[in-house]
Parts: sequence; structure tokens; C-alpha cells
Amino acid sequence: AQSVSQHNHHVILSEAASLELGCNYSYGGTVNLFWYVQYPGQHLQLLLKYFSGDPLVKGIKGFEAEFIKSKFSFNLRKPSVQWSDTAEYFCAVNPAYSGAGSYQLTFGKGTKLSVIP
Amino acid sequence: DGGITQSPKYLFRKEGQNVTLSCEQNLNHDAMYWYRQDPGQGLRLIYYSQIVNDFQKGDIAEGYSVSREKKESFPLTVTSAQKNPTAFYLCASSKSGREADTQYFGPGTRLTVL
Repeated sequence: AQSVSQHNHHVILSEAASLELGCNYSYGGTVNLFWYVQYPGQHLQLLLKYFSGDPLVKGIKGFEAEFIKSKFSFNLRKPSVQWSDTAEYFCAVNPAYSGAGSYQLTFGKGTKLSVIP
Repeated sequence: DGGITQSPKYLFRKEGQNVTLSCEQNLNHDAMYWYRQDPGQGLRLIYYSQIVNDFQKGDIAEGYSVSREKKESFPLTVTSAQKNPTAFYLCASSKSGREADTQYFGPGTRLTVL
């Protein structure tokens, strides 16, 4: 079974600071990787995803993530955060090309981001 | 508008009572899921269904039951056997097959057991 580790529980940044949230996974095969975001009072939304191809993935609202296979990592980045980025961010993984296993999405415990104006 | 609806938004029940949470989707997705979200714990999979009349246990199925009689609906029953039922419950859906990978979430139901 797969597992996901998010290193930071709570990150506090000032506006315009750069952001990097760590995500590492454990799984012996090929995976799909996701970052979801939960803004206060809103639905969990897909921020970006990686299935294959270019390991640098761009998502909505200026976010990007880089898949480094050798490090089992999928860190989320944004060059300059805004107050509106205050939210909880979840990394998730599921096995690729594995039939029923692909339905089992495993989430990390989440990182709360607070951006101070 | 296409999407996933969950009702009610807040639900209160007395200890020992079963309660059913509703989830409906009009995205024409074959697969549906139930997750539980607790502070600092992320989301944990309770049950999922790849197709109508079929469902499988997730990581924390004990004390929960589901049915999938219609493509659009996947209700979750929290039974009295669930030891810590107070939580935020999220329903999701996805296409099946290769595109099962991307799941879309509803707004959630916050259940409080008194």
C-alpha cells in the first residue's frame, strides 16, 4: 500500500514570499500524484496533477509542482504568495495502471498555509 | 450546474443512533467515494464504488455501510458501531478506467454525535 508524508503541518508566510510545500510518497510502482487545496469554507479542489511526461507540472493560480522520481517527491511551489492562498493543501497519490488500485487515493495529512498581508 | 451535492451541511445525532449522509452527482461519473476528514489527519477512504451495485471497503470501513443502487447516488450510513463518528465527511466522484484517477469533491457534511 502507498503512503504520503507532508513535512510541514503549518506554514506562515508574508505576502510576496516564495512557497515550497514538501510531499514524499512511498510506493514500489508507478504512481499518479495530486495536489488538492481546501480554501476556508470551500470544496476540496484539484490544484494540479501528474500522470506522466514532463515532471514539472503547472496548475491553477500560479502553482507548480515537480516530480522527482529518485526522491519520491512531489513538492508544491509558488514564487509569490498572496493572502488569498491561505488554505490547507493536501498531497495525494494513487497507483497508476493498476485497475482497482487506481481508485484508492491516499492523502497526506495536509499543510495549513497562512499568508499574512 | 454539474457537480456533487451533499446534504445536509451540518448534522447532529445522539450517540447510538444510525445516520445516513446523502451524496448525489450529476457528472455522469461511474465511480464514487466516501472519505472522512479529521483535523491533522488528512482524508481517509471509507468506501468506494466503481460501478452501480458494487462497492469496496477502504481503509476505515468499520462502523460504516453504503449502497449504490443508482449511478447518481452513493449514501453513507454511519452506524452505532462507529466508535468516533464525529467528523467531516466528504463524497467524491470520478470517471472510471484510466480517468478514475482524478476525483472531484462535494462540499462535505459535518456530523456531530452528542
